[in-house]
Amino acid sequence: DVKVTQSSRYLVKRTGEKVFLECVQDMDHENMFWYRQDPGLGLRLIYFSYDVKMKEKGDIPEGYSVSREKKERFSLILESASTNQTSMYLCASSSQLQETQYFGPGTRLLVL
Amino acid sequence: GESVGLHLPTLSVQEGDNSIINCAYSNSASDYFIWYKQESGKGPQFIIDIRSNMDKRQGQRVTVLLNKTVKHLSLQIAATQPGDSAVYFCAGWGPTGNQFYFGTGTSLTVIP
Repeated sequence: DVKVTQSSRYLVKRTGEKVFLECVQDMDHENMFWYRQDPGLGLRLIYFSYDVKMKEKGDIPEGYSVSREKKERFSLILESASTNQTSMYLCASSSQLQETQYFGPGTRLLVL
Repeated sequence: GESVGLHLPTLSVQEGDNSIINCAYSNSASDYFIWYKQESGKGPQFIIDIRSNMDKRQGQRVTVLLNKTVKHLSLQIAATQPGDSAVYFCAGWGPTGNQFYFGTGTSLTVIP
């Protein structure tokens, strides 16, 4: 079974803090994704990566950056957290871009 | 822009009845679709997928129907059980693989 894990289930941070969200997958997948999920808006793609050190902007990259130094790990960085970044963050991975994405359990981030 | 959406935000069914959850998409070039199930506090889980060269695919208690003419797909759950209560959403992929969109979800409640 594919396993995607995220470093935290819940996080509380203050405005202006730098926040790191970590994601690890154990299936040697090429592609990894970061989404945020908000009520009524569904999943929105922040960034994705199709290879180590490669990244592509998704629909809402502003205020975020990512890092993929190793194939199994994809990090989402909020350089200076703001209250409008309070959300559920979901990481996913897939073997091919047009294949099933397997999701982690999510990190619920609250920015005060 | 491109979109994938769901017709109803909520759906309630009696235990044992069949459920039908609908989804519409706007990009006629979309050629791969997935249905996900998301239980409260968890990440989305893959249920079933379908490619555009098919109009029907069956799994265990679930069937996905794809109507390319009207750009519509549906998820049918047979003999709905309390454990089926969750948010269901569809996702669509474009032909280049990096154009994918998620619907906002239908919350299914199964009444015992």
